[in-house]
Amino acid sequence: GEDVEQSLFLSVREGDSSVINCTYTDSSSTYLYWYKQEPGAGLQLLTYIFSNMDMKQDQRLTVLLNKKDKHLSLRIADTQTGDSAIYFCAETYNDYKLSFGAGTTVTVRA
Amino acid sequence: GAGVSQSPSNKVTEKGKDVELRCDPISGHTALYWYRQSLGQGLEFLIYFQGNSAPDKSGLPSDRFSAERTGGSVSTLTIQRTQQEDSAVYLCASGGLGTEAFFGQGTRLTVV
Repeated sequence: GEDVEQSLFLSVREGDSSVINCTYTDSSSTYLYWYKQEPGAGLQLLTYIFSNMDMKQDQRLTVLLNKKDKHLSLRIADTQTGDSAIYFCAETYNDYKLSFGAGTTVTVRA
Repeated sequence: GAGVSQSPSNKVTEKGKDVELRCDPISGHTALYWYRQSLGQGLEFLIYFQGNSAPDKSGLPSDRFSAERTGGSVSTLTIQRTQQEDSAVYLCASGGLGTEAFFGQGTRLTVV
């Protein structure tokens, strides 16, 4: 199967950390991705992690991967208003095709 | 161009008409995807092209939908006899084999 599941909404106060969670089903996934979609725009790759890694950090972003539980998370430190967007988790399955979750809408409140 | 280009950016059509949506991928990318995003919904996979392999059409919702990719580059998504439920943003993406996909800005289709 290729189901990728995410919670639909997250509200966070400016300056706090945001954690967006995702579960996936394909154990043969090679790469897992986080995409960001700002209002009225297309999707942009935010970060990705190779399946043999447990963690990847990139400035304010931390990706954690638990292969045993097929759980992926994205932590955004010091969340800013510009981080308000829809965040999509995605995996490659069958070694080539991307499968996306439904997206988590993150709202940053002052 | 530097990125994935889609045209038109907006299309309003009458129910029952045919529409063609165009995608110019990034030069050299062998993979090309079409997705559909309805209002407030996630991404629905439609079709996937990879090099010269037969396309994966498993996501096309009905036989009114078809897509082709000429010369391994430009792709056209055709919707025949459009219905109101076809209204959505149609997103194209291109990439390498099993690697990240780069998305275009999408075509917003409104069927009235």
